[in-house]
Amino acid sequence: EPEVTQTPSHQVTQMGQEVILRCVPISNHLYFYWYRQILGQKVEFLVSFYNNEISEKSEIFDDQFSVERPDGSNFTLKIRSTKLEDSAMYFCASSEVWGRTNNEQFFGPGTRLTVL
Amino acid sequence: DAKTTQPPSMDCAEGRAANLPCNHSTISGNEYVYWYRQIHSQGPQYIIHGLKNNETNEMASLIITEDRKSSTLILPHATLRDTAVYYCIVSLQGGSEKLVFGKGMKLTVNP
Repeated sequence: EPEVTQTPSHQVTQMGQEVILRCVPISNHLYFYWYRQILGQKVEFLVSFYNNEISEKSEIFDDQFSVERPDGSNFTLKIRSTKLEDSAMYFCASSEVWGRTNNEQFFGPGTRLTVL
Repeated sequence: DAKTTQPPSMDCAEGRAANLPCNHSTISGNEYVYWYRQIHSQGPQYIIHGLKNNETNEMASLIITEDRKSSTLILPHATLRDTAVYYCIVSLQGGSEKLVFGKGMKLTVNP
């Protein structure tokens, strides 16, 4: 069964450093998303991406965040200068074309980001 | 904010049916009810969704009231592996529609 994959599974970084979280969505999916979940809290939407541009972003997704689809398979989330409060589990998700009957979002296993 | 309310937790005996309630009294006519679950700290997993008719798949059944203000997710024969946080989410059906997660409901299946 196709699945969304994410690397690394755990990333430890120093405050102020840049991090790139990587995701490989399911191959025939066209919509991509990033969510995050701070320990013990709700899953929060960050950004959605379609046709090489951002469709929607949340208030959390400020200028420190960016997303990119550098090639036909990877989808990345970059945090330019990490803060302590960026420590969270980051989930990538993908879904099929709009309008299909069963277009649920498929989530990856997540990357745990720890900012020291 | 999430447009749904769920009880914070529920217990169920292994092998019995688990009935998970959800209220969504402000749901719009073109919004669907989606159910996801999150096992421990894994990524959320899609279970089922519906508009107004009852739905069934290999994982669960979804019963939506006629006025669409509430729904029930039914796991017909709960197993220990069904222990998870279950999220009821109201969303438009569309590829770019974000999911707004609430706190969900922790289901614990006991042996």
